[in-house]
Formats: sequence, structure tokens, C-alpha cells
Amino acid sequence: RKEVEQDPGPFNVPEGATVAFNCTYSNSASQSFFWYRQDCRKEPKLLMSVYSSGNEDGRFTAQLNRASQYISLLIRDSKLSDSATYLCVVNPNNNAGNMLTFGGGTRLMVKP
Amino acid sequence: EPEVTQTPSHQVTQMGQEVILRCVPISNHLYFYWYRQILGQKVEFLVSFYNNEISEKSEIFDDQFSVERPDGSNFTLKIRSTKLEDSAMYFCASKIGQGSGYTFGSGTRLTVV
Repeated sequence: RKEVEQDPGPFNVPEGATVAFNCTYSNSASQSFFWYRQDCRKEPKLLMSVYSSGNEDGRFTAQLNRASQYISLLIRDSKLSDSATYLCVVNPNNNAGNMLTFGGGTRLMVKP
Repeated sequence: EPEVTQTPSHQVTQMGQEVILRCVPISNHLYFYWYRQILGQKVEFLVSFYNNEISEKSEIFDDQFSVERPDGSNFTLKIRSTKLEDSAMYFCASKIGQGSGYTFGSGTRLTVV
């Protein structure tokens, strides 16, 4: 089983649509969870951290289900500028290194 | 907004040559990282560096790779004898503390021919 698994997509949605991405992770001891956004041939940029209680940042809502080892990202009212690859990212342990394990990403294309 | 700066943005090298990729992390950050992304594949961890030593490294980071922070400002990744499969985007990242988020640099695209 892959450490962090995502549906690669692409998800093609019209502007204004609501879209949801899911991610599963294999290491039950994982401590921290994030969604990053990556535009084509650019660096990953932190979109939001994911907390156990769920959290929202504007049009973006992230949820974590530790029992199912499942993370989700919901984007409401999609904009053209939301077109990108969304990376599910996990910190598998809590040592000083704090390395991140990335999923393969889910590609979103928002059409006019 | 503070940035992580990487140079060069693109480097082409012949197989077997040594390359040094350079990074200037954000000045008050304490944790430094190298990641790589082969075209069309996921971002992969290479190495983390804290308190002037390697704190973690992946299986990819073999004897051909080394890191240095020679002057308290630059953070370099050296590949001693490049192979074709080292062709990838190499991202440097830094963070201020354990609980904080990463800032990634814009990457160096390494092409080995």
C-alpha cells in the first residue's frame, strides 16, 4: 500500500462548482497532515494544515478521520485560479527531522 | 514576504559530472530540507538538516549525495557523479521550528545528459 494515496484525476469542473478530494495514508502513527497546492513546474505551496476537528479557510474545508486514516479537501465555488494539482501531505513521525511524505497529487481543472 | 532562494534555476550536466545545487534558506529558519520531483512523479524527501548535521535521510540519499551549510547562509546539495536518473526538479525548503510550516524554494531543474 502506498504511504499516501490520492486519485490522480483530473477533475474537470465548471466555475462555481463544489469539488472534493480524498486521500488515505498508511501510517497510523502519522502526526501532522497538510494540503499543498502545486502549479505546473512550480514549487509546492502550503494551502492549509488539517486538524482533527476539521478546519475551514474561506472556500476550503479540510477534514481528518484518524480512525479511517483518511483526509479530505472540499473546495466551494471553484474559481479558474483554483486549477492546479492538490497534494496530500503527511508528516509520518514526530522526530526532529519532520520530513514530509507527499501523495502523488490530484489534478483539478476548473473550466469557464 | 521572506523567500527561499535557489540557484541555478536550470542546470544541464553530463553524466558522471559533479553538480552543486545552492539554496539560501530564510534567515531565521533552523530546519533545512532537500526534496526532489522527477517529472510526472510525486515529491520525494531526500534529507533534513538541523543543528549543523543531517537529522534524517531517505534511501535515495546515498553516498553520491551530500549536504553542507558552509557559512550559515547557504545550504548546498552536492551530487558527486550524476546519473541520468538524477534528472529531476530539486526543491530546497526551510522552516523556523518543529511545529511550523515549510517554505519551499522555486526549485532547480537538473537535466543529466
